[in-house]
Amino acid sequence: DAGITQSPRHKVTETGTPVTLRCHQTENHRYMYWYRQDPGHGLRLIHYSYGVKDTDKGEVSDGYSVSRSKTEDFLLTLESATSSQTSVYFCAISESDSGRASEQFFGPGTRLTVL
Amino acid sequence: KQEVTQIPAALSVPEGENLVLNCSFTDSAIYNLQWFRQDPGKGLTSLLLIQSSQREQTSGRLNASLDKSSGRSTLYIAASQPGDSATYLCAVRPRGIKAAGNKLTFGGGTRVLVKP
Repeated sequence: DAGITQSPRHKVTETGTPVTLRCHQTENHRYMYWYRQDPGHGLRLIHYSYGVKDTDKGEVSDGYSVSRSKTEDFLLTLESATSSQTSVYFCAISESDSGRASEQFFGPGTRLTVL
Repeated sequence: KQEVTQIPAALSVPEGENLVLNCSFTDSAIYNLQWFRQDPGKGLTSLLLIQSSQREQTSGRLNASLDKSSGRSTLYIAASQPGDSATYLCAVRPRGIKAAGNKLTFGGGTRVLVKP
């Protein structure tokens, strides 16, 4: 398994509170991604990073921000959590965006509940 | 906008039968296609990645084919086992947006149950 950990694995929070999810990788891969998975919507890309301090928006980025200060860590922040952000969040990594090295590997996920 | 569909949503087969899982996509201009397995409450495990120039890719009992012109990929799992029970997802990366990153569009998945 690719060396990807996510923390916390489970979190319950209240509407309006800030939440930060962490993704840590030991593979030294350049690309990192945050997805959310919801029934009826499948997996959708929130933000991704193509290097330290280099990030861009995905399909459902509203209400989320990210930071990547080190190759191994990619943080996802919900500035003010809402109930619509209740979901399972997955981090993924890939070595590059070219050829077979673009294969993505996923972490175990974080289940977030916003009350 | 690329749309990825997986039909059926659920499938039940007896142990030993071959599994055939379908993935359809609306835009044939793809860079690659990736198949994943997801066990309940777990993350996704990458099974196979097929480049747009390939027609098939094999790994053990798994074989995935790709027909870009018809917008279809099929995942074959030979001699299914109860341990193959999981949800299988396909994801497509579009071609031509390299600068925009390695974005994947996922299908809704097929939930497979292999009965002993």
